[in-house]
Order: sequence, then structure tokens, then C-alpha cells
Amino acid sequence: QVQLVQSGAEVKKPGASVKVSCKASGYTFINYDIHWVRQATGQGLEWMGWMDPYGDNANYAQRFQGRVTMTRNTSISTAYMELSSLTSDDAAVYYCAKVLYSGYASPFDYWGQGTLVTVSS
Amino acid sequence: DIQMTQSPSSLSASVGDRVTITCRASQSISSYLNWYQQKSGQAPKLLIYAASSLQSGVPSRFSGSGSGTDFTLTISSLQPEDFATYYCQQSHSTPGTFGQGTKVEIK
Repeated sequence: QVQLVQSGAEVKKPGASVKVSCKASGYTFINYDIHWVRQATGQGLEWMGWMDPYGDNANYAQRFQGRVTMTRNTSISTAYMELSSLTSDDAAVYYCAKVLYSGYASPFDYWGQGTLVTVSS
Repeated sequence: DIQMTQSPSSLSASVGDRVTITCRASQSISSYLNWYQQKSGQAPKLLIYAASSLQSGVPSRFSGSGSGTDFTLTISSLQPEDFATYYCQQSHSTPGTFGQGTKVEIK
């Protein structure tokens, strides 16, 4: 069965960086894009960007440009999202999600369990 | 960026009720509209994609309709396990913006 298993909770100081991993299993990793979505406590969902595991291409939401990097390691079917220059506004649960189908405008059919990132001095 | 506006923000309903949630896009998104259900402490779950296609394994009491800018999610007969927050999301263009959510609570 398809699973996306994310790394554990992180506590970071303001100005630091965090790198969250998302290990995929149960499907061919390189065939489906991975998106990242975050959710602050009690708030809605915010799309951050996506990456193409096959070509190692990525596209980021404008508001995260310059601060976010999405990469992958195909040998271990794992995607990564690194966010730098953290502030208290970045405290949230971060989710990875797999697209339902390859190609334009796909929804997300499987999600990781979420990784809580706390930013505190 | 395309803005997605859901209404209502919350609603109270009873088991067996018919529930309708609307989502409006700030510009036309054709049928590239998805609906997710999120329960407390869990990741979102895909219910409907491409405005009206039911995701595999999702009960048939969930349905979606609409195109262009106006969309609707309907639960034909609310069940106890349906109390959750529902989000629409457009996948027409990046960023793939979400609505602010509609919380469905027990009356």
C-alpha cells in the first residue's frame, strides 16, 4: 500500500533552517510529483510548492522563494523540504503529498502524517 | 494568485441532514477543483477531484458539482464520521490555493 512517512517533530530557533523528509513506499517514486503543504495551529492549508522526483525540478510558491528548497534522493525514495531563515510565523505542521496522476492539475491522493515544526528561542 | 472563498466558515447539522458547502474562485479554474476532508490531528483526505469525480473508496453520499468559478460539495445524508473540516483547493495554476475551510459540527 502507498505510504508517505515523514520525519519527526523539530524545534528550531529563529533564523535557523529545518529539513523535513518524506519517505515514499508502495509505488514508483519517480513517477509522481510530491507537493508540500503546511498548516499553522488552528489555521488552514497553505501550499508551498512541488517537486518532480524524476527530473529533480521544483516550483515554489512566490512567498517562499529564496527560502525553500525541495529535493529528493531517488535511491531511497525520499523527498525533502528545507526551509531557512525561520521565524515564529513558520511554526506549523508540514505535510508532503503525492499526486493522484502524472500531469497537469492533479489533486493529492496520499499525504504524509505531518511534521510539527516549532520555532522558539 | 487565485483566491478561493468557502462558505459558510462553519455549520451545525444533525446526522441525516443534507449539507452543502460552496467554494468560489476569484477567476475561472475550469473544473480543476478538489475537495478534502480533514479530521482533528489528521492529514487531509481527498474526497472529490476535478469538481465532480469521486475518489476511490469515498462513500457515494459525497458529491461535487460546478465549473468556472462556483463549486459545491454536498453530503446527502450526514453521518457521525463526517464531522470534520472541509477544504476546497484549485489545481488550475500554481500556487494551488486552498479555501479557508468549513467546519461541520454536530447540532
